[in-house]
Amino acid sequence: EAQVTQNPRYLITVTGKKLTVTCSQNMNHEYMSWYRQDPGLGLRQIYYSMNVEVTDKGDVPEGYKVSRKEKRNFPLILESPSPNQTSLYFCASSSLGARAGSGSGANVLTFGAGSRLTVL
Amino acid sequence: AQTVTQSQPEMSVQEAETVTLSCTYDTSESDYYLFWYKQPPSRQMILVIRQEAYKQQNATENRFSVNFQKAAKSFSLKISDSQLGDAAMYFCAYRSAWVYNTDKLIFGTGTRLQVFP
Repeated sequence: EAQVTQNPRYLITVTGKKLTVTCSQNMNHEYMSWYRQDPGLGLRQIYYSMNVEVTDKGDVPEGYKVSRKEKRNFPLILESPSPNQTSLYFCASSSLGARAGSGSGANVLTFGAGSRLTVL
Repeated sequence: AQTVTQSQPEMSVQEAETVTLSCTYDTSESDYYLFWYKQPPSRQMILVIRQEAYKQQNATENRFSVNFQKAAKSFSLKISDSQLGDAAMYFCAYRSAWVYNTDKLIFGTGTRLQVFP
């Protein structure tokens, strides 16, 4: 089954304790990204990656790191979590095959199931 | 920068009735894509429907249809014959057609839909 898998689904941690949220996709997608969802704010992009070893900041990158050493994996790293990083996190991926403007339609992002993170 | 606005934090509908969720957006681009996503209590993000801005015809997926008004920058979602399983948070999202290095979606703040039996 084609899917994006995130782990852990739930995590409670304390301020300053480094953590990693893993993301893996089995669709051979080039593009992967992380979003955070907060009440009243919708989803906002944190980081994205166009391919292996190619990453860039989204709209809210402060306090996060990412890496893309393999095509299928895109972990989100919180080096020193703070309470304002308490949120619901989504990983997403898509193929770059059908590009925007080509008339062939927008690529549809496949989302993971979400990871609920609480930082105390 | 593009923005997406959902002005209805909550909506409710009776089962089997029709409900319309509103979405407006702001952009200076002429080519883009618009989406509606559903997020049930499971938190999964599920694509409901998408619209390509260069297409005049409104998209339809079974009981879900959109009213796309490009000049007014409006993109409302109509749910017909509402079912209990339609209860969820609904997000409107925008994607530029001209950005070749990212599939970034810009989301609205969401509308929570309740469906009453």
